[in-house]
Amino acid sequence: AQKVTQAQTEISVVEKEDVTLDCVYETRDTTYYLFWYKQPPSGELVFLIRRNSFDEQNEISGRYSWNFQKSTSSFNFTITASQVVDSAVYFCALSEAGYNNNDMRFGAGTRLTVKP
Amino acid sequence: DSGVTQTPKHLITATGQRVTLRCSPRSGDLSVYWYQQSLDQGLQFLIQYYNGEERAKGNILERFSAQQFPDLHSELNLSSLELGDSALYFCASSVGGGPHETQYFGPGTRLLVL
Repeated sequence: AQKVTQAQTEISVVEKEDVTLDCVYETRDTTYYLFWYKQPPSGELVFLIRRNSFDEQNEISGRYSWNFQKSTSSFNFTITASQVVDSAVYFCALSEAGYNNNDMRFGAGTRLTVKP
Repeated sequence: DSGVTQTPKHLITATGQRVTLRCSPRSGDLSVYWYQQSLDQGLQFLIQYYNGEERAKGNILERFSAQQFPDLHSELNLSSLELGDSALYFCASSVGGGPHETQYFGPGTRLLVL
């Protein structure tokens, strides 16, 4: 069964520090999809990125970057020069391919607090 | 704003009661998903509908049911409510119904059972 582990329950940094949120996943499928979502204090879940298992290229979007390593089953998320607005709970999620297998599994989330 | 709408935003009810949560997907999306977020269980997938038909089922209790209507909006019905059903209920939508689809989430309905 698929599983997502976000070992860091809470992280606190000071503004402008870089911070990496870890995500480790387990799956038996060779085709799968990984996601990151942000849940700010307002409560909604905001989509950040999707990556499929065949694309190990790292991605950068502004201050955000993602490092996908199949060898270690990890999909880590780095925020460079963090800002107070980055304070939120961040979720990593995994979805396996296969018809009728749309059970997206979320990790427990990492609460990031960025202090001014 | 994801384009997914959910009503009501907040709901307070008593044990044993029944409530209905409503979701309207993004324009053009055919698939709707329901999730429950609670402190002890985290974010859990409940059920998915695609173009009016049930596509996948997760950890949905028998007291809960859902449906998707011809206009693609969806309702989640929760009955015989218990204290433990207090949670944030999210609806998400996607264009298609496959596991590769990006799901866009609504703002959620916060349910409090007293």
